[in-house]
Amino acid sequence: GAVVSQHPSRVICKSGTSVKIECRSLDFQATTMFWYRQFPKQSLMLMATSNEGSKATYEQGVEKDKFLINHASLTLSTLTVTSAHPEDSSFYICSATSARGSLSSYNEQFFGPGTRLTVL
Amino acid sequence: AQSVAQPEDQVNVAEGNPLTVKCTYSVSGNPYLFWYVQYPNRGLQFLLKYITGDNLVKGSYGFEAEFNKSQTSFHLKKPSALVSDSALYFCAGASCAGNNRKLIWGLGTSLAVNP
Repeated sequence: GAVVSQHPSRVICKSGTSVKIECRSLDFQATTMFWYRQFPKQSLMLMATSNEGSKATYEQGVEKDKFLINHASLTLSTLTVTSAHPEDSSFYICSATSARGSLSSYNEQFFGPGTRLTVL
Repeated sequence: AQSVAQPEDQVNVAEGNPLTVKCTYSVSGNPYLFWYVQYPNRGLQFLLKYITGDNLVKGSYGFEAEFNKSQTSFHLKKPSALVSDSALYFCAGASCAGNNRKLIWGLGTSLAVNP
């Protein structure tokens, strides 16, 4: 149980286009989802926290108009990179956690497989 | 400020030898502590966690970690390393008093197990 999927796994786009990444919890209700960014050989950088049905909370330095996050249901959150530029190229990872049921324990997060974004 | 530290960027160990990946924490109150592993171009996989109870926690793939309150440490260990254990390891923590479900992450330690 506690499987999280991400789609697409890899995307290459031209500068100026917008890219949407989906994060789904497949077998549990994700009351909270997190979006991370990871540069090569570096740690995870938390971008934002999204709770179902409410606006995302962005970390300091993350442009909310640049990285649009929607958490419309208990199983789906989306990250849209608007007007992507080469410096947005990175590995984006989502994770999910639940405040309900058997998974509501102690902040444990379940991670998606990540999305590699390359902006040309 | 709360923090999780992994003092080693890289750990090298020969196959068959014991391995240790270090983690120290500074978290208010009683901590929740986690270890995750990341293989290249993949998301993170959960290894183990400490919530309460026994200080020695056993997890996936033969890994274990010891919670040491006096030293504020939660080092990851395995008695006999495998080449397939080569990956990036992350330690993370949270305060039991926190309610935003965020984790505080270490910077990661790259483990290389040499055949």
